[in-house]
Amino acid sequence: DVKVTQSSRYLVKRTGEKVFLECVQDMDHENMFWYRQDPGLGLRLIYFSYDVKMKEKGDIPEGYSVSREKKERFSLILESASTNQTSMYLCASSSGRKSSGNTIYFGEGSWLTVV
Amino acid sequence: GQSLEQPSEVTAVEGAIVQINCTYQTSGFYGLSWYQQHDGGAPTFLSYNALDGLEETGRFSSFLSRSDSYGYLLLQELQMKDSASYFCAVRDRRSGGYQKVTFGIGTKLQVIP
Repeated sequence: DVKVTQSSRYLVKRTGEKVFLECVQDMDHENMFWYRQDPGLGLRLIYFSYDVKMKEKGDIPEGYSVSREKKERFSLILESASTNQTSMYLCASSSGRKSSGNTIYFGEGSWLTVV
Repeated sequence: GQSLEQPSEVTAVEGAIVQINCTYQTSGFYGLSWYQQHDGGAPTFLSYNALDGLEETGRFSSFLSRSDSYGYLLLQELQMKDSASYFCAVRDRRSGGYQKVTFGIGTKLQVIP
């Protein structure tokens, strides 16, 4: 089974703190994604990466950065957390191959509260 | 950019059939996917359509019309466990050859006895 593991399930951080959300996948997938999910807004893409050290902005990249130093690991960084970044964050991965890249596998999510 | 529209809520009776529609706007369209998410859980893949027509997987079917930029998810013989949120997602191809996947807001399906 494909496994996407997010390091923290629940976090509480203070405004202005630097926050790291870590994600690891074990399927040698080329593509990795970070989404945030908010009620009534669905899943919104923050950043994605299609290769090591490569990253592309999604729809809402402001206030976030990412790092992909190794193929299996994709980190989301909140440089200075703010209360409007309180949300659930979902990491995901998919194969880069055309024949099998249709399925996105999600982690269980990280619930971040910024106080 | 991309945009997707789907109803926010649908209610259906156990044993019945329900259809969840999705319309989209995008360039470089590659395919339309559907995902299911139970409360507190992660989204899980249900189906994918790259070509026009109907794809069937057990009680679930998904349809795509690329000319109409429209698709739907059909759930038959509804069961209580089908109560969940259902997301359509557009996969499109970017100039660099990589793919971006954009999700709709999700349709919350409530199955009632």
